Parts: sequence; C-alpha cells; structure tokens
Amino acid sequence: NAGVTQTPKFQVLKTGQSMTLQCAQDMNHNSMYWYRQDPGMGLRLIYYSASEGTTDKGEVPNGYNVSRLNKREFSLRLESAAPSQTSVYFCASSEWRGTSSKETQYFGPGTRLLVL
Amino acid sequence: DAKTTQPNSMESNEEEPVHLPCNHSTISGTDYIHWYRQLPSQGPEYVIHGLTSNVNNRMASLAIAEDRKSSTLILHRATLRDAAVYYCILRDSGTYKYIFGTGTRLKVLA
Repeated sequence: NAGVTQTPKFQVLKTGQSMTLQCAQDMNHNSMYWYRQDPGMGLRLIYYSASEGTTDKGEVPNGYNVSRLNKREFSLRLESAAPSQTSVYFCASSEWRGTSSKETQYFGPGTRLLVL
Repeated sequence: DAKTTQPNSMESNEEEPVHLPCNHSTISGTDYIHWYRQLPSQGPEYVIHGLTSNVNNRMASLAIAEDRKSSTLILHRATLRDAAVYYCILRDSGTYKYIFGTGTRLKVLA
C-alpha cells in the first residue's frame, strides 16, 4: 500500500515548455487534489476532482489544466511554464463523504518544479 | 471562507508538553477543525480533527473552546521528530476546499 505517489520528484523546465505531473493513489479514494506550495507559504489549492469524471477550479487555477484519468490517477499539466510556477506541487486524496467536512486528506511526497 | 490565525513560530524543550494555539472566530457550526503537520521536505500529514468535543489520538490531543472560536493542539511530550510546521485548518463547509494558512513552525530543543 503505497498511498499517494507522484512523479517526477524533481523537474527543471525552461519558460514556455510544457509538462505533466502525475499522481496516483491506491486507497480507492473518490476525491483528489492538486496544491502548490511556494517558499515559506502554506498550500494553495489549484484544482480538485470530487469524483471520477469531474474536476473543478481551486484558488489558483490559471496556467494549469487537469485530467482525472480514472479513479486512481489525477494529472496536472502546465501548457506553457512560467517562472512564477516555480513551486513544490503536492497531490492529495480523500474519501469525500458528502457535506461532512471531517474526512482526512492524504498527501504525496511532492514534485519540486523549477522554471528558468 | 473561514480563516484561522496561528503564531508564526514556537519553541519547546524536548520531552515537555507543547500547546499550539489557533483562532478561528468565523467558524461555522458544521466546520470541523483539522490539524496537519509538515515535516521538512515532506507533504503534510494528518494529525487530528474534531468538531466540538476534545479529541485524543496516539499523536496528540485537541482541545476545543466551548464557543469553538479557538482550539489548541497539545503534544504531550515533544520529541525532535515533532519539529515541523503545524497547520490548523477549517474545511469549507459543503465544499472540497481546505484553506491552509502559513502555520506555526515548531522548533524542539534538545
């Protein structure tokens, strides 16, 4: 049981290049999330997927796209990377239980992205 | 969105109790109070959560004020491995959003 896995662990891009960050979970959770964390800051939600086939914008969606490929996998794509997207990206999953706000999120180890 | 306020940093001596405070004066009646911590170079990990009553688990205790406008995470005996950033989070009722603040950086002194 690996929990939440992310690939790659580290990536360097040039401005304008594109890339996809991969995330997978083996806990059969229905909800998945992408966050970014800038130095010295808390996490900010980029996009989330409440269930397979649905995605919604979070606080900072501009410059990103997502795909919920199946129940296990949720990818984040940068179409044209910018230096402002230099950050650590975390994927998380949880078992959403309707309007209850008590469910726990499980986080991956993060992807460190540097855009030059 | 309901907000939380935490001190930027705190220090504790090893093997002593630590009380990490959090203010959440705009909390709604259905918001659970969640605590996560982030060890250096890792993703956040769940610590504890509660609604109204005090809660205990193997990692920590959560004391919630009677009016729910504040809470305190209690680490009973701090160890060096507890050095981390601790986030107090309110889950936005009925949505999927966790709103992370900047958290409290806990330093544990040997």
